[in-house]
Amino acid sequence: EAQVTQNPRYLITVTGKKLTVTCSQNMNHEYMSWYRQDPGLGLRQIYYSMNVEVTDKGDVPEGYKVSRKEKRNFPLILESPSPNQTSLYFCASSLGLAGGLSYNEQFFGPGTRLTVL
Amino acid sequence: RKEVEQDPGPFNVPEGATVAFNCTYSNSASQSFFWYRQDCRKEPKLLMSVYSSGNEDGRFTAQLNRASQYISLLIRDSKLSDSATYLCVVNLLRGDSGYSTLTFGKGTMLLVSP
Repeated sequence: EAQVTQNPRYLITVTGKKLTVTCSQNMNHEYMSWYRQDPGLGLRQIYYSMNVEVTDKGDVPEGYKVSRKEKRNFPLILESPSPNQTSLYFCASSLGLAGGLSYNEQFFGPGTRLTVL
Repeated sequence: RKEVEQDPGPFNVPEGATVAFNCTYSNSASQSFFWYRQDCRKEPKLLMSVYSSGNEDGRFTAQLNRASQYISLLIRDSKLSDSATYLCVVNLLRGDSGYSTLTFGKGTMLLVSP
């Protein structure tokens, strides 16, 4: 089954304790992205990756890191989580920008609900 | 001005009603437009793309007005299962990279009642 998976689905942690949220897709997609969703603020992009070893900042990158060593995986790293990073996080993937600036449907993972105390 | 703006709602309608959502976007260079649907606490899923000539998918009709930078979604004969949040999504260029990424509106909540 074609899908985007995220782990963990739920996490409660404490301030300053490094954590990683994994994201994996089995559709051979080039493009992957991380979003956070907060009440009243909607979905905001944290980082995105056009392909292996190619990443760039989104709208709200502060406090996050990403890496793209393999096409299928795009982990989100919080080196020193803080309470303002409590949020619902979504990973997404799409075929990529084939043909220049064309767009393909983004497929989202089920979400990771993170609470930082 | 926010990049993508939507009325948050909620829109409360009875089953069978017709309801319309609007969305405006600020960047005139935006190239692609979409409506996503998001059920409570679930991931967003593509509902339909929006084409310049307007397009229809069953009970759903999407319209684009580039001159006014305005997108709409019309739902006819509403079903209980249509209750969800509808996200207006625009494909925007990012700086000098040449890449484009999606920008999401905050969504419009629809509640269909029996």
